[in-house]
Amino acid sequence: AQKVTQAQTEISVVEKEDVTLDCVYETRDTTYYLFWYKQPPSGELVFLIRRNSFDEQNEISGRYSWNFQKSTSSFNFTITASQVVDSAVYFCALSENYGQNFVFGPGTRLSVLP
Amino acid sequence: EAQVTQNPRYLITVTGKKLTVTCSQNMNHEYMSWYRQDPGLGLRQIYYSMNVEVTDKGDVPEGYKVSRKEKRNFPLILESPSPNQTSLYFCASRPGKFSGNTIYFGEGSWLTVV
Repeated sequence: AQKVTQAQTEISVVEKEDVTLDCVYETRDTTYYLFWYKQPPSGELVFLIRRNSFDEQNEISGRYSWNFQKSTSSFNFTITASQVVDSAVYFCALSENYGQNFVFGPGTRLSVLP
Repeated sequence: EAQVTQNPRYLITVTGKKLTVTCSQNMNHEYMSWYRQDPGLGLRQIYYSMNVEVTDKGDVPEGYKVSRKEKRNFPLILESPSPNQTSLYFCASRPGKFSGNTIYFGEGSWLTVV
């Protein structure tokens, strides 16, 4: 069965600090997809990134970067020089190749203080 | 504009009074699903649909019904709502049957059952 764990329930940082959000997943499939979504206080879910299991290259998008390591079943998300607008709940999610369920982790609430 | 639209966005209702949350997408997506979000649990799938007239249970289907008579619409029905169904609900869609495609979410429906 597939499972996503986000061990950090809440994180608080001061603006301009770097912060890493952890995501550990479980799956028996060799082909799967990992996602990160952001949920700002307004409640909508904003897609951030998708990564397939065959692509272990790290990705950087502006202040955001993702570290995918199959050996440890982790897909961690780092925000560099955090800003107050980064305050949100962040969800990691997993989709197996032949599964129809998009499994979410419990989320990490990030508070960036000015 | 490509979007998933849910209505109502906010609703307070009483125990036992049937209600329907509508969901419509304008992207001609085959796959649609419903999730509920509860603190500490992330998003959990209620029902999903692979195409018209094809629906299946997710992880938490008890107390809910769905129908898929048209490709664009996927309403969520609570026949006899109870307070434990107080939650934030998301409708989602994605193109095709490929489980790696990005899922698009509606803006969410806040439901309170008193």
